[in-house]
Amino acid sequence: DTGVSQDPRHKITKRGQNVTFRCDPISEHNRLYWYRQTLGQGPEFLTYFQNEAQLEKSRLLSDRFSAERPKGSFSTLEIQRTEQGDSAMYLCASSQRRDRPYEQYFGPGTRLTVT
Amino acid sequence: QKEVEQDPGPLSVPEGAIVSLNCTYSNSAFQYFMWYRQYSRKGPELLMYTYSSGNKEDGRFTAQVDKSSKYISLFIRDSQPSDSATYLCAMSAGGYNKLIFGAGTRLAVHP
Repeated sequence: DTGVSQDPRHKITKRGQNVTFRCDPISEHNRLYWYRQTLGQGPEFLTYFQNEAQLEKSRLLSDRFSAERPKGSFSTLEIQRTEQGDSAMYLCASSQRRDRPYEQYFGPGTRLTVT
Repeated sequence: QKEVEQDPGPLSVPEGAIVSLNCTYSNSAFQYFMWYRQYSRKGPELLMYTYSSGNKEDGRFTAQVDKSSKYISLFIRDSQPSDSATYLCAMSAGGYNKLIFGAGTRLAVHP
């Protein structure tokens, strides 16, 4: 396993711009999760995919946020019209094991700074 | 009130000390209890998990769950400077469900 990868690792953008992050899960992991983590807080759930189907979305995921997972492989998270409150670490996780379904493997995160 | 409460610390201990980290929760539907370790600017790494109540030991780490009190603990024996990190408790109501995290406790182990 090469692990969960995320790109970019850091993104600085101006308020009002759109940004897109990519997550590549561990190969053959069919479940993929997005979380957001702000300084001094634990990760907060944003959304969850099983294969290409988006099964759950948090109320945190406003209409400016959209996530996709075409073909059930990599996933993208787009934030439109960014606001300073969107500044956070965006974490992706994947899981697969039937015997340990709760075991989510996290990527290194994408740190977003909105100026 | 948050579903999961965790004292953010920071907690500073000398090398070799026994460390106790704790979380309380309010949702009785939680069945899976995890501890993650997160180094600065890295993603969380799963350390321990427990299903329902009981204890689990793995090397220097012991996880305890008391569902009657809605209280979970992580003990680290013979703490090392390399244990310095933020420790996050996480819980889930179902196997594939989203994780609900505590705020994390920052631990510093000094030589």
